[in-house]
Amino acid sequence: KQEVTQIPAALSVPEGENLVLNCSFTDSAIYNLQWFRQDPGKGLTSLLLIQSSQREQTSGRLNASLDKSSGRSTLYIAASQPGDSATYLCAVKTGANNLFFGTGTRLTVIP
Amino acid sequence: DTGVSQDPRHKITKRGQNVTFRCDPISEHNRLYWYRQTLGQGPEFLTYFQNEAQLEKSRLLSDRFSAERPKGSFSTLEIQRTEQGDSAMYLCASSQRNFNYGYTFGSGTRLTVV
Repeated sequence: KQEVTQIPAALSVPEGENLVLNCSFTDSAIYNLQWFRQDPGKGLTSLLLIQSSQREQTSGRLNASLDKSSGRSTLYIAASQPGDSATYLCAVKTGANNLFFGTGTRLTVIP
Repeated sequence: DTGVSQDPRHKITKRGQNVTFRCDPISEHNRLYWYRQTLGQGPEFLTYFQNEAQLEKSRLLSDRFSAERPKGSFSTLEIQRTEQGDSAMYLCASSQRNFNYGYTFGSGTRLTVV
């Protein structure tokens, strides 16, 4: 069974810092990997989707990379802002019907 | 198209009562998924539909849980005889048929069983 691990579990940074969130997965046979943001008590907002054939995707201050062979992905956030405070989840798609999630990294950006 | 809609946003119920949640997916998405998320954990798969057909159910979906998607549009998730362990966020997502498409999630229904 696919297992997804996210490190660190929690992270606090001062406003303006660049930061990296890590995601690793055990089975490299994936279709794609998706990064989500979740605010407390809310649903998931998709940030970036990387296909298995891609190496990275960018959206604004966010950049996600994928190294499928080593089972790793990173989410880079540039010039962090207090509004970036949330839990970030990565998920890998391995078939028609399932998306395996990590337990998330809880990010706090301190003004 | 306003995305995936879930109703209600919050539900508080007494143990032993039945509850039903609704999910309206993005109209052109033929795949619909239900997930459950407990505090501090990532979402866990419950079941999924392709059009009106329920194609897979997780072991997490006990006999007290039933899901339907009549006519391949909206879906309902019913929990009978609720237990305190059912307290969680229930998330619905939809996607297009192609495996390469990502999932779009709704805002979830927070269930509290007292």
